[in-house]
Amino acid sequence: ETGVTQTPRHLVMGMTNKKSLKCEQHLGHNAMYWYKQSAKKPLELMFVYSLEERVENNSVPSRFSPECPNSSHLFLHLHTLQPEDSALYLCASSQDQPNTGELFFGEGSRLTVL
Amino acid sequence: GENVEQHPSTLSVQEGDSAVIKCTYSDSASNYFPWYKQELGKRPQLIIDIRSNVGEKKDQRIAVTLNKTAKHFSLHITETQPEDSAVYFCAASRGHNAGNMLTFGGGTRLMVKP
Repeated sequence: ETGVTQTPRHLVMGMTNKKSLKCEQHLGHNAMYWYKQSAKKPLELMFVYSLEERVENNSVPSRFSPECPNSSHLFLHLHTLQPEDSALYLCASSQDQPNTGELFFGEGSRLTVL
Repeated sequence: GENVEQHPSTLSVQEGDSAVIKCTYSDSASNYFPWYKQELGKRPQLIIDIRSNVGEKKDQRIAVTLNKTAKHFSLHITETQPEDSAVYFCAASRGHNAGNMLTFGGGTRLMVKP
């Protein structure tokens, strides 16, 4: 596996379920991100981890809970979601250096909340 | 915080014509301006970026211009081809590490008609 991989690619859940999205990067980067992509807000930053420390929580509801156990893995734990949370959730990584700020995105996890 | 406006939201051109997408930003301290391309069903990918110490940058058929005084920057695609059809996102940040977050514009759907 190379690049940034996300699982599952598709997820359907009810409002009372608990599920998790997983992201893994094989690029040796030290920063990881969760973005939400919807028709309303095409690329909305949710969380940022740099060197496994959370550096940004962009006013995201507590029903979304991130976890970064190491620099290669990032999770997004979901519980008691609302239908408006249905969206494509994109994970990204970057190398936190002055050289480049390029974000490498995963393919995304398409979430549908019933 | 930073606010990035992108226009137009949709753009249709004939193959071979040029396409121009414009973005304005609000934070005068922003100094890094990348552009991402997202093909249908695929992940966003960086296509070109510019830093505030230059006014223009070119890479084959794509170019980006920056006017720091007016706080706007533009993407220019010449000799468009059907494979240029995608959604393009501009972004701005104060730097290019995880501590300086990228703010994305709303996206432009470019359609190149053969």
